Amino acid sequence: ETGVTQSPTHLIKTRGQQVTLRCSSQSGHNTVSWYQQALGQGPQFIFQYYREEENGRGNFPPRFSGLQFPNYSSELNVNALELDDSALYLCASNRGGHNTDTQYFGPGTRLTVL
Amino acid sequence: SQELEQSPQSLIVQEGKNLTINCTSSKTLYGLYWYKQKYGEGLIFLMMLQKGGEEKSHEKITAKLDEKKQQSSLHITASQPSHAGIYLCGADPNAGNMLTFGGGTRLMVKP
Repeated sequence: ETGVTQSPTHLIKTRGQQVTLRCSSQSGHNTVSWYQQALGQGPQFIFQYYREEENGRGNFPPRFSGLQFPNYSSELNVNALELDDSALYLCASNRGGHNTDTQYFGPGTRLTVL
Repeated sequence: SQELEQSPQSLIVQEGKNLTINCTSSKTLYGLYWYKQKYGEGLIFLMMLQKGGEEKSHEKITAKLDEKKQQSSLHITASQPSHAGIYLCGADPNAGNMLTFGGGTRLMVKP
């Protein structure tokens, strides 16, 4: 148990729809990162939030957006879903301001886009 | 951008055998993480290496970061079925916890 939870566990959407995935970070962790893991591949960094501000972004289009809240929860929103968005979405949290602090991952949300 | 290549991509070993997984980076590694993932689940932190030549062990798993800091290896001694899963190496190129991962090594241990 890492103390990081995600909801829902599984989700099925159709192309063009919008989706919101949720993450609850470990207590005391003010940095949250989101990753996309396609089947058979390693996770790819989407973006990171630190103290409710976007702190860094990977190579993902603007239709991927996020929010972080003061209560250690965060959201990943994806608009105009495409078939290639089908993946396992992972969030990870760590203490901010500690460059070598370990990230702890949640169990993931499996998104299927039909 | 930094790229990580893992080898082998998949591995089937008999229970009790030793095995090694390699992670090679296109650039110098500053912070190399090893995670384990059960199929379709979240990542479990195993170890983090920072200094060239560093070696860490946890139970029957040992990880090393070579002196030139462009390769890491993960060694499992006397493998067990509980070791089965996907092993992922991750680098932190900007020291900001925005990890770049390798493609993973899928390990199966036959009883």
